[in-house]
Amino acid sequence: DTAVSQTPKYLVTQMGNDKSIKCEQNLGHDTMYWYKQDSKKFLKIMFSYNNKELIINETVPNRFSPKSPDKAHLNLHINSLELGDSAVYFCASSQALAEQFFGPGTRLTVL
Amino acid sequence: KQEVTQIPAALSVPEGENLVLNCSFTDSAIYNLQWFRQDPGKGLTSLLLIQSSQREQTSGRLNASLDKSSGRSTLYIAASQPGDSATYLCAVNPNTGGFKTIFGAGTRLFVKA
Repeated sequence: DTAVSQTPKYLVTQMGNDKSIKCEQNLGHDTMYWYKQDSKKFLKIMFSYNNKELIINETVPNRFSPKSPDKAHLNLHINSLELGDSAVYFCASSQALAEQFFGPGTRLTVL
Repeated sequence: KQEVTQIPAALSVPEGENLVLNCSFTDSAIYNLQWFRQDPGKGLTSLLLIQSSQREQTSGRLNASLDKSSGRSTLYIAASQPGDSATYLCAVNPNTGGFKTIFGAGTRLFVKA
């Protein structure tokens, strides 16, 4: 059973579109994260959700909005996509500040 | 502001060699430090987590040490194998304003058969 899963694995879309990436964890963790890995492979945190409350929003444009319908899911909505949004997006989860487990990533390409 | 640096950026070694990867951080007020590996086109796999009160952690051929006061961690890989080839990342969780994990840029390791 996959611990942290993301869909879709690949996402190709036009500039200006709105898209969503879904994330689910079956580990019973209380904290979930979204990270962006750019073309230089640098990984930067975007959001953290602890018990469904947003903890950190790291200078991310408000075109990005995390939505958590329950503790096991944290979806990422992106409005008005721009070329610079092209990257690999990773979801992760942990129990509080303990070990983080990552999903396989979603490669987003904006044309 | 916390910054995490990993040296070297890339490393190529022959199979069987023992090696050390370095991670340094500028603010010693950390809650814990975690080492990951990332294979090309894949997600991150957790290797070891060291709490701020610990000095080292071991898992198989891997040993991670932490010297919080000097802002350093090392990942020691014994008897390297071609399957160890990957990018190794370290990440710190700060003591304050939690859930703000900061990653280093990684060390790309290539183990030659």
